Amino acid sequence: EVQLVESGGGLVQPGGSLRLSCAASGFTFSSYWMSWVRQAPGKGLEWVANIKQDGSEKYYVDSVKGRFTISRDNAKNSLYLQMNSLRAEDTAVYYCARVSGAVAGSKFDLWGRGTLVTVSS
Amino acid sequence: DIQMTQSPSSLSASVGDRVTITCRASQSISSYLNWYQQKPGKAPKLLIYAASSLQSGVPSRFSGSGSGTDFTLTISSLQPEDFATYYCQQSYSTPPTFGPGTKVDIK
Repeated sequence: EVQLVESGGGLVQPGGSLRLSCAASGFTFSSYWMSWVRQAPGKGLEWVANIKQDGSEKYYVDSVKGRFTISRDNAKNSLYLQMNSLRAEDTAVYYCARVSGAVAGSKFDLWGRGTLVTVSS
Repeated sequence: DIQMTQSPSSLSASVGDRVTITCRASQSISSYLNWYQQKPGKAPKLLIYAASSLQSGVPSRFSGSGSGTDFTLTISSLQPEDFATYYCQQSYSTPPTFGPGTKVDIK
């Protein structure tokens, strides 16, 4: 079955760290750009970060630059998001998403179920 | 960054109604516009890509149109399973940005 399964969410104090994982199956993981997209409670969708197939290019939304790091392990069919210096405003469901198509004209065509990150003291 | 707006922010409709949602970009994005459906507690689902191409497996009652800055998503005959929130998203440039969403609920 083609799927993405996130894990690693939870409750963390402000200033703390958390590492999210996303396990991919049913498709050739190494052939796709991958992304993290988040959704704060009751709010809309916000793209967080992208990573190229071989990990050589990474892009971030301004609000997480210098704090979050996206990475991947193609041998393990896994995507990661290391989140440091967490803030209350990082509280959200974090989705792993597959990116299909060229950079311009791409689309998020496969999503995981998401993992909830709560930043609170 | 390219800003995306949607109208209306919410609407009430009945089964069988024709529903149209509008999305506007702050600058021209050619046809690099995608539409997603999200139901409560679930992940978003891709409906339309490149403004008017139907994603595999999506019912033909969904259609998209537009180019440049103005786009529409149309549901030709609303079904019970279509009550959800709909988001547009531009893929013209990084960062990819989403509209604020349009919630479609039962009248």
